[in-house]
Amino acid sequence: DAGITQSPRHKVTETGTPVTLRCHQTENHRYMYWYRQDPGHGLRLIHYSYGVKDTDKGEVSDGYSVSRSKTEDFLLTLESATSSQTSVYFCAISFNPGHQKTEAFFGQGTRLTVV
Amino acid sequence: AQSVTQLDSHVSVSEGTPVLLRCNYSSSYSPSLFWYVQHPNKGLQLLLKYTSAATLVKGINGFEAEFKKSETSFHLTKPSAHMSDAAEYFCVVSDDSGTYKYIFGTGTRLKVLA
Repeated sequence: DAGITQSPRHKVTETGTPVTLRCHQTENHRYMYWYRQDPGHGLRLIHYSYGVKDTDKGEVSDGYSVSRSKTEDFLLTLESATSSQTSVYFCAISFNPGHQKTEAFFGQGTRLTVV
Repeated sequence: AQSVTQLDSHVSVSEGTPVLLRCNYSSSYSPSLFWYVQHPNKGLQLLLKYTSAATLVKGINGFEAEFKKSETSFHLTKPSAHMSDAAEYFCVVSDDSGTYKYIFGTGTRLKVLA
């Protein structure tokens, strides 16, 4: 298994509180991603990073911010959590997505519940 | 922009019968295509990937997929379903446009009946 660790694995938080999810990799891959998984929607891209301090928005970025200060860590922050952000969050890494044959490797997911 | 359409949200088959999960993609560039499987409350596992070396791709657990450029399709098949195949399957596209993204379909939940 690819060396990807997500923390925490489960979290319950109250509406309006800030939440930070962490993704840590030991593969030294350049590209990192945050997705959310909701029934009927598959996995939707929130933000991604193509290098240290280089990030860009995905299709569902509103209400989320990210930071990547070193290669191995990619943080996802919900500045003020809302119930609509209750979801399962997956981190992924890739060596080179623009090069064919290069797949993404996924962490085990973080189940976030906003009450 | 890339996109993926999985044509069936749910598929039910009897154990021992063939499986067909359908996927159509859109990409303005040379696509990379993948199928992932997710068993209940688990992470995502790569089943197979299209490498452009051959249009028929073999994956793990007896699954195959055929890339058809003229139909922009990448359907997943298995000759004989097993109970352990019950899971959710995702078709994913990436490309060499420089956007670095993996775009997921909405998933197909496969149910295998005894």
